[in-house]
Amino acid sequence: QVQLMQSGGGVVQPGRSLRLSCIAAGFTFNTFGMHWVRQAPGRGLEWVAVIWYDGSNQAYADSVKGRFTISRDNSKNTVFLQMNSLRAEDTAVYYCARDYRDSRYFDYWGQGTLVTVSP
Amino acid sequence: EIVLTQSPATLSLSPGERATLSCRASQSIDIYLAWYQQKPGQAPRLLIYDASNRATGIPARFSGSGSETDFTLTIGSLEPEDFAVYYCQQRTNWPRFTFGPGTKVDIK
Repeated sequence: QVQLMQSGGGVVQPGRSLRLSCIAAGFTFNTFGMHWVRQAPGRGLEWVAVIWYDGSNQAYADSVKGRFTISRDNSKNTVFLQMNSLRAEDTAVYYCARDYRDSRYFDYWGQGTLVTVSP
Repeated sequence: EIVLTQSPATLSLSPGERATLSCRASQSIDIYLAWYQQKPGQAPRLLIYDASNRATGIPARFSGSGSETDFTLTIGSLEPEDFAVYYCQQRTNWPRFTFGPGTKVDIK
């Protein structure tokens, strides 16, 4: 069955960096686009970034553009989110999610990992 | 940016009742809207895509309708496991995919 297993969250000071990982299993990873979506505590969902199935293209929300980088290693079935220059407002649960048939909807999600940006 | 507005913010119903949730877009998004269900401490689950298509494994009591700017998610007869928060999401405005603020369906 499809599984997305996340790691890499934690507490970090403002201005520092953190990298999230998401390992996929149960499907042909190199044929699916992948996304990151986040949810601030007690708040709604915010799309963060997308990467094409082959890594050839990426796109970002304006709120993270220039600070976050999405990448993937298809040989390891893994998608990453490198987060630099972190701010308090980046505090959230971060989810990786699979793109449903190139639709830009999200059909499978990771379990989520909490990133807390605090002095 | 396309803004999605959901109403009501909270819907208090009893098991067996029908739930009708609304999502309105600030401009036309054709049929490119999805609905997700999220329970506390869990990731969202895709219910409906392209306004009216049920995702794999979603029970028939969930149905979606609408186009352009007005969309509805209907839960035909609420089961105990349906009490959750529901979000709509548009994918028209590339790459600024946006979600609505959510509707909480709780037990009356």
